Amino acid sequence: KQEVTQIPAALSVPEGENLVLNCSFTDSAIYNLQWFRQDPGKGLTSLLLIQSSQREQTSGRLNASLDKSSGRSTLYIAASQPGDSATYLCASQAGTALIFGKGTTLSVSS
Amino acid sequence: ETGVTQTPRHLVMGMTNKKSLKCEQHLGHNAMYWYKQSAKKPLELMFVYSLEERVENNSVPSRFSPECPNSSHLFLHLHTLQPEDSALYLCASSHPVGTANTEAFFGQGTRLTVV
Repeated sequence: KQEVTQIPAALSVPEGENLVLNCSFTDSAIYNLQWFRQDPGKGLTSLLLIQSSQREQTSGRLNASLDKSSGRSTLYIAASQPGDSATYLCASQAGTALIFGKGTTLSVSS
Repeated sequence: ETGVTQTPRHLVMGMTNKKSLKCEQHLGHNAMYWYKQSAKKPLELMFVYSLEERVENNSVPSRFSPECPNSSHLFLHLHTLQPEDSALYLCASSHPVGTANTEAFFGQGTRLTVV
């Protein structure tokens, strides 16, 4: 059964810092890996999708990488801003649906 | 607007009530999902429908009953719930697994409180 772990659980940084969020998964036979953002009490917003055949995806200040062999993905956020404060979730798709980690709650102070 | 709309956004119900959650997507997807999000726990997959057929029921109690009348609509019928069922219920849609792009999109969720 697929298990997804995210480290750290919480992170506080000053504005302008570059940061890395980590995600690991136990079953390397995945179809894809997706990163989401969730604001308090809201739904999930898709940030990046990495297909199993890809190594990374970029969108603006976000870059996500995927290493299937080691069961790891990272989300890199460049030049963080207070508006980036949210919970970031990674999810892997190894079967019929996405399996989620608990998330990393990010706080960026101005 | 993500293209996935859930109603109602908030719901308070007694343990003897019957209510339904609704999800609608306008993204042309053929797979739809119900997830439950409780405090301090990862999102839990409840049900998966692909091409209007239920393909996964993740050991969910029978007091939760899904319905997918067509590829654009998904319902979750609720009856005789327990206080521990209070949570954020999220609906998602995507193209089915094995197709080219299976990026999933979520609705804003229904915050359910059982009293």
